[in-house]
This record gives sequence, structure tokens and C-alpha cells, in this order.
Amino acid sequence: GDSVTQMEGPVTLSEEAFLTINCTYTATGYPSLFWYVQYPGEGLQLLLKATKADDKGSNKGFEATYRKETTSFHLEKGSVQVSDSAVYFCALRNGGSQGNLIFGKGTKLSVKP
Amino acid sequence: DAGVIQSPRHEVTEMGQEVTLRCKPISGHNSLFWYRQTMMRGLELLIYFNNNVPIDDSGMPEDRFSAKMPNASFSTLKIQPSEPRDSAVYFCAITTGPGGGYNEQFFGPGTRLTVL
Repeated sequence: GDSVTQMEGPVTLSEEAFLTINCTYTATGYPSLFWYVQYPGEGLQLLLKATKADDKGSNKGFEATYRKETTSFHLEKGSVQVSDSAVYFCALRNGGSQGNLIFGKGTKLSVKP
Repeated sequence: DAGVIQSPRHEVTEMGQEVTLRCKPISGHNSLFWYRQTMMRGLELLIYFNNNVPIDDSGMPEDRFSAKMPNASFSTLKIQPSEPRDSAVYFCAITTGPGGGYNEQFFGPGTRLTVL
């Protein structure tokens, strides 16, 4: 079945460091790909998305490119801030707009001043 | 803006008691999802509804769990009887819009359940 694998955390960085969180997926067909962020004590929020190969999703300085050849959707940010500390989830949706999301296990990011 | 209200935000109960978690979408939606989040298992889909009809309940762990959506504005997740291993954060989420394979899921703030 479809699945998402993302790098295990926690990831600890200093402010202004470069961030990469790896995400790879297994799916039939052409899934849509997402990154969600969960701040402490809150629900998940959509960070960015991409719906087809070579699309780049971007938001709040974060970027991820849908790479079908490597089945990857790595999350990157050039300069992280303390306020980026959160848990990041990679997810995919296959088979239609109202279907469920399949999430990775999440990667906790801590950014130190 | 789409949004989701969940109640209660925190629930502490004793093993064997019935627990009912509630979800109220603030605005119109097409689908509603119940998730469970634990440190060990991460985020798990329990069940989801399209237009108030249950579509996939394969994630419901066992018969102690049941979910209903009597109308478009309300859904419940019930655990009877509850067990300590049910302790988790339970999220309700919705999707809206005409479709296209990329509709965002809007999550509620979650209910933190502790079963003693």
C-alpha cells in the first residue's frame, strides 16, 4: 500500500541554519504531496503542497519539490528561526480529492537562538 | 475560513468508562476525518466520512470504538469501555471545496484523552 517515510528526529539547529527534512514515498499512480506543521499544543496546519511531478510548493520560506524520479518531497528552508520549532509531517493523498491523507511519522525540529 | 471545534479539549477518565469526543465543523465541508496521535504510533487515521457517510473505518482499532455523523455539522467518536492504551490526542479534520486531488485538510485543536 501507499506509504510515507521521513527522517527521524529530533533535529536541532541553530538559528539561521539551513534545514532539510527528507521525505520519500511509495504510491501507485500520481499522488498529491503535502507538508503539514504542528506547533506545540495545536492541530496540524498545511504548510505547502504539490500536485504533480516537478511542482515546487513554497510557503513562509519553506520549499519542497515533487520529484517523481526519486519519489521524494524533501522540505528545505535556507535560514530557520526559533519560531519554526515544531513537528513537521510529510503526507500524500492518492485516489481523489476527498480521500484520506497518509502521513509520515513526523520530524520534530528544535531551533536554538 | 474553514475551521473545526473539538470538545472537550482535555479529558481524564478511568478505565472502563465511556468517553465521547465531539467535532463541530464551523463551515461547510465535504469530508470529515478522525485521527489519533501517540508518541509510539504517530498520526493514525481512524475513520472518515464523505457527505456524512462513513467511507473507510479500517483504522478503527476495535469494536470499542465507534463514530457517527448524524448531520453535516456534528460528529462524535465514542470509546466504550475505555482503556489506558486509548490515551492519545484525537484530531478531527475536514476538507472543503470542489475537488481536484489537492484539497487542504483543516485540523481541529485536538482532544487530549487520558485514561487512568
